[in-house]
Amino acid sequence: ETGVTQTPRHLVMGMTNKKSLKCEQHLGHNAMYWYKQSAKKPLELMFVYSLEERVENNSVPSRFSPECPNSSHLFLHLHTLQPEDSALYLCASSQVQREGYEQYFGPGTRLTVT
Amino acid sequence: TQLLEQSPQFLSIQEGENLTVYCNSSSVFSSLQWYRQEPGEGPVLLVTVVTGGEVKKLKRLTFQFGDARKDSSLHITAAQPGDTGLYLCALGEGQNFVFGPGTRLSVLP
Repeated sequence: ETGVTQTPRHLVMGMTNKKSLKCEQHLGHNAMYWYKQSAKKPLELMFVYSLEERVENNSVPSRFSPECPNSSHLFLHLHTLQPEDSALYLCASSQVQREGYEQYFGPGTRLTVT
Repeated sequence: TQLLEQSPQFLSIQEGENLTVYCNSSSVFSSLQWYRQEPGEGPVLLVTVVTGGEVKKLKRLTFQFGDARKDSSLHITAAQPGDTGLYLCALGEGQNFVFGPGTRLSVLP
């Protein structure tokens, strides 16, 4: 595997379900990000982990819970979601020391909440 | 709240034409990035600019960062169908990134 991978690619879940999204980066980076991309809205930064510590939260609802066990893996735990949470969830990674913090994105998980 | 605008929102052109899309911010940022995103995929980084007035070229794509580091343009020469996609600009301040809404480009053969 190369780059940034995300699983699953597609997920349909009910509002009472609990599920998790997984992201893995194979680039040796030390920062990872979760973004939400909804139709007709710009990408929204949800969480940032730098050196495995959460740096930004951006007022995300508590029904989204991130976990970063090491610098290569990032999870987004989902519970009691709402239909408006349906979106493309993108993971990205970057190297903190590099100028400009270039981000490399995964293919995303298309989430549908029914 | 930082506002980042991109124009035009949609652009449909014929193969071989030239085009320019724009990214404008209400604030100064330390870096700016351009990405292209295809349907069902994540954004792919095209370029990063950090210096006001900087110009970078990537084959047929020319990127310019404004002197005041609040605006940028992307010029494509002789567009090809493979250039079709959503072009996103992102302004960064440390690890906090703000993305624009994007310009959706369609290049018709």
